[in-house]
Amino acid sequence: EDQVTQSPEALRLQEGESSSLNCSYTVSGLRGLFWYRQDPGKGPEFLFTLYSAGEEKEKERLKATLTKKESFLHITAPKPEDSATYLCAVQATNTGNQFYFGTGTSLTVIP
Amino acid sequence: DSGVTQTPKHLITATGQRVTLRCSPRSGDLSVYWYQQSLDQGLQFLIQYYNGEERAKGNILERFSAQQFPDLHSELNLSSLELGDSALYFCASSVAAGGLDTQYFGPGTRLTVL
Repeated sequence: EDQVTQSPEALRLQEGESSSLNCSYTVSGLRGLFWYRQDPGKGPEFLFTLYSAGEEKEKERLKATLTKKESFLHITAPKPEDSATYLCAVQATNTGNQFYFGTGTSLTVIP
Repeated sequence: DSGVTQTPKHLITATGQRVTLRCSPRSGDLSVYWYQQSLDQGLQFLIQYYNGEERAKGNILERFSAQQFPDLHSELNLSSLELGDSALYFCASSVAAGGLDTQYFGPGTRLTVL
């Protein structure tokens, strides 16, 4: 069964304390892996799309990397405004280009 | 503001009823996606339309149906509602058909089934 698993479920960091969020996937036929940020009560906000193993993308304090079976979202020197839930999703070719989401990592950055 | 609009923002109804959720995509976007987000299951992909045609289908229940109209707005119809259908329903839009381009999410419709 196609599955996306994110860890940890929740993460509390001090401001400036760097860390990584993990997303592992078991889909067959990966078309793309996506990272989103979601604030409470709002729709997800697109961050990155990764297509193949070895690919990396950066945006401000965030850097996403992709291997054959997992992706990492590295947060460097986070600020309180980075507090949100980070969602990982994949699109799989073997199931008609469906999208599968993980349950997210809730990040809290303490000033 | 993503440019995607969804109405209504909140909807409260009873079991067995039917409701229609509406989504207007960003100007220029031809793809519309529907998602369900509940506390216990996270975000679930329901269906994608591209320029009026169904493009991809997720685990959408038979009681649910959707369509995209010539003006590109989309509607999600939920019928024979059950308590478990209570959730946030998001619509997203993008330019292309393949799903790899950036999806812009609307603010969602919160459905409560009593």
